[in-house]
Amino acid sequence: GAVVSQHPSWVICKSGTSVKIECRSLDFQATTMFWYRQFPKQSLMLMATSNEGSKATYEQGVEKDKFLINHASLTLSTLTVTSAHPEDSSFYICSARRPGRAYEQYFGPGTRLTVT
Amino acid sequence: KQEVTQIPAALSVPEGENLVLNCSFTDSAIYNLQWFRQDPGKGLTSLLLIQSSQREQTSGRLNASLDKSSGRSTLYIAASQPGDSATYLCAVIDDSARQLTFGSGTQLTVLP
Repeated sequence: GAVVSQHPSWVICKSGTSVKIECRSLDFQATTMFWYRQFPKQSLMLMATSNEGSKATYEQGVEKDKFLINHASLTLSTLTVTSAHPEDSSFYICSARRPGRAYEQYFGPGTRLTVT
Repeated sequence: KQEVTQIPAALSVPEGENLVLNCSFTDSAIYNLQWFRQDPGKGLTSLLLIQSSQREQTSGRLNASLDKSSGRSTLYIAASQPGDSATYLCAVIDDSARQLTFGSGTQLTVLP
């Protein structure tokens, strides 16, 4: 199967600090990864599309300087929430697209971020 | 811009019932449609993927249909079980964007 992992699964940080979340495709190479945000009782909202070796494409309304995305290898993408504030508290989920699989995306288990 | 709607938002049924979840999308130019399951506080599990050229897909007690021209999909769950309780999300990939647009989900509760 296609497995995607995220680390950490949950994190608590103080307001003003930065937090890095990792997304890894464990058994396939992913040229494209996606980062989503999900608020309680709501659906997933795409934040950005991450392509290996190039700059991420951010969705409208997402601050690229606040949510730094790096896709340095074919199996790893990272999301760094800089100068975190309580309103950044959310569930962040990544997904990876497996080449040649009808654009099917495989999702990680998510990271719960709480900013105090 | 593609919009995906799911009805109902919540559904509660007794164990053993067959049920149907509905999904509609505004732009019929889709590449494929996926149904996902999400348990509380967890990530997404892909249930079924229907390519635009297909009309349905089946996996065990699940059957998903796609009517691309009318912008509709249904997920049929046969003989529901308490373990089926979860939020079910429908998502489409556009021909152009190649990215998923999600519906708001249907929260299903199957009562023992």
